[in-house]
Amino acid sequence: KAGVTQTPRYLIKTRGQQVTLSCSPISGHRSVSWYQQTPGQGLQFLFEYFSETQRNKGNFPGRFSGRQFSNSRSEMNVSTLELGDSALYLCASSLEGTGTGGEQYFGPGTRLTVT
Amino acid sequence: GDSVTQMEGPVTLSEEAFLTINCTYTATGYPSLFWYVQYPGEGLQLLLKATKADDKGSNKGFEATYRKETTSFHLEKGSVQVSDSAVYFCALSDRGSGGSNYKLTFGKGTLLTVNP
Repeated sequence: KAGVTQTPRYLIKTRGQQVTLSCSPISGHRSVSWYQQTPGQGLQFLFEYFSETQRNKGNFPGRFSGRQFSNSRSEMNVSTLELGDSALYLCASSLEGTGTGGEQYFGPGTRLTVT
Repeated sequence: GDSVTQMEGPVTLSEEAFLTINCTYTATGYPSLFWYVQYPGEGLQLLLKATKADDKGSNKGFEATYRKETTSFHLEKGSVQVSDSAVYFCALSDRGSGGSNYKLTFGKGTLLTVNP
């Protein structure tokens, strides 16, 4: 079974621009979560989607948004980029159900550099 | 809120040495506990998990036991290899009001370097 895929792998943008990142979950997984990883703040939760609905959101400004499609693929968008948005953005998918233990499976990430 | 505290390292060991990375947590509900590993330039890989008190997770020679009384989930390996060099993250997943697990809360990670 194919793992979580993320595109693009690397991205360079200029301050003020916007960016869209894409994530395809493991087949059959309906929950998709996004995380931001930086050297200073570590891994921080952005949001989680299930069946096209955002179920949980972390403490990020409204410039960070996401959505999920009917095939469970997800996108996240960052508008008006700032230098501090430079990070590795990780997508994770999980198999829903109370018996699953809650483990999430991560993609390789998108490395975003804002100049 | 939920939090995870792990020894930050870095940790440097010789091959075949014993490894312990400490992890303690704070959670309001009934969390599942995980160890993830990240190799350079890659995403996170699930190393092992435990979903209830006294469970022991194990994989590739690594072990961790869910200790509710001490709110701990320490990672151990009896004999490390050079290939184990990576960053290790302790994490918890707490069930929301709907009974499903919504998000992972991570520790800051521990860099392990194993020298031949």
